[in-house]
Amino acid sequence: QVQLQQWGAGLLKPSETLSLTCGVYGGSFSAFYWTWIRQSPGKGLEWIGDVFHTGSTKYNPSLRSRVTISVDTSRRQFSLELTSVTAADTAIYYCAGVPGKAPDYWGQGTLVTVSS
Amino acid sequence: DIVLTHTPLSLSVTPGQPASISCKSSQSLLHSDGRTYLYWYLQKPGQSPQILLYEVSNRFSGVSDRFSGSGSGTDFTLKISRVEAEDVGVYYCLQGLSLPYTFGQGTKVDIK
Repeated sequence: QVQLQQWGAGLLKPSETLSLTCGVYGGSFSAFYWTWIRQSPGKGLEWIGDVFHTGSTKYNPSLRSRVTISVDTSRRQFSLELTSVTAADTAIYYCAGVPGKAPDYWGQGTLVTVSS
Repeated sequence: DIVLTHTPLSLSVTPGQPASISCKSSQSLLHSDGRTYLYWYLQKPGQSPQILLYEVSNRFSGVSDRFSGSGSGTDFTLKISRVEAEDVGVYYCLQGLSLPYTFGQGTKVDIK
């Protein structure tokens, strides 16, 4: 059974960088695409991108210019960075484990608020 | 991007009665490998989404057999045979065919 625990800053000012990390407990770290998804009232659930244990990444084109997802296999962690945030980036951010195409396991979610 | 559209957007159901949710895709979700990458999730109040069905009709481990899925191409349906109080929340479909993977806007189910 895979469990995900995420952490990071919940309050940012416009233009700052969002940074979240997700720890993976249990399961095979190399068997999943480690994924970030966000949820906002305006846009619903939005797939941000994912990273494989090799470091290979895929990003949502709408966010690609501002997003970096990285992986640390030794610590069984993966991270999200989103630069130049605005109020439109206010959302609950989830980390997730995807064995194929869709998330089977989700973190608890982190509310990130962007406000001056 | 592929757009997924739920019908209805909200549903109020008497316990023990069936419920049905439709998800229509802006393009076929059938991959050249023969698989259809359509998934169903339930987000209970205050919780993260949880997977119910994968590839249209396959129940995830531990999911009640009251949940079933059907459909092909662009039209898909989630059915709950007998709604229980624990089934309340928002149901989402997700497509994993092409990037970026996209979710429907959701159907909110509550109990009468």
